[in-house]
Amino acid sequence: GNSVTQMEGPVTLSEEAFLTINCTYTATGYPSLFWYVQYPGEGLQLLLKATKADDKGSNKGFEATYRKETTSFHLEKGSVQVSDSAVYFCALNQGGSEKLVFGKGTKLTVNP
Amino acid sequence: DAGVIQSPRHEVTEMGQEVTLRCKPISGHNSLFWYRQTMMRGLELLIYFNNNVPIDDSGMPEDRFSAKMPNASFSTLKIQPSEPRDSAVYFCASSPGTSEAETQYFGPGTRLLVL
Repeated sequence: GNSVTQMEGPVTLSEEAFLTINCTYTATGYPSLFWYVQYPGEGLQLLLKATKADDKGSNKGFEATYRKETTSFHLEKGSVQVSDSAVYFCALNQGGSEKLVFGKGTKLTVNP
Repeated sequence: DAGVIQSPRHEVTEMGQEVTLRCKPISGHNSLFWYRQTMMRGLELLIYFNNNVPIDDSGMPEDRFSAKMPNASFSTLKIQPSEPRDSAVYFCASSPGTSEAETQYFGPGTRLLVL
């Protein structure tokens, strides 16, 4: 079945450091790919998405490129801020439906 | 827009009691999802509805769990009887349409503790 594998956390960085959170997937067909973020005590919210190969999703300085050849959708940010501290979830839809399959989540802490 | 509204935000109950969680989706959204989040299992989809009709309930753990959507603006998730292993954060989410790439909008969650 479809699945998502994220790098294990937690990740701790200093402010202005470069961030990469790896995400790889297994799926039949061509799913849409998503990054959701969960701030402490809140529900998840969409950070960015890509719907076809080579698409780049971007938002709030974060980027991720849909790489079909490596089945990956790694999240990157050039300079993180303390306010980026949260849990990040990679997800894909199951083709033909609205069901999302989520990774386990990666907790990011950014220190001043 | 008020976003997805869930109630209660916190619930503490004793084993064997009935628990009802409530959700009001964003107005105009056609799809509604119930998720459960735990440290051990992560985020799991329990059930989802399109236009008030249950489409996929394969994630509902067992017969103790049931969900209804009597109209476009309200849904409930009921656990009867509750057990300690049901302790988790339960999220409701809604989305505007039925395409694969639709964004899901999550509520703040209900934190359930079953003693």
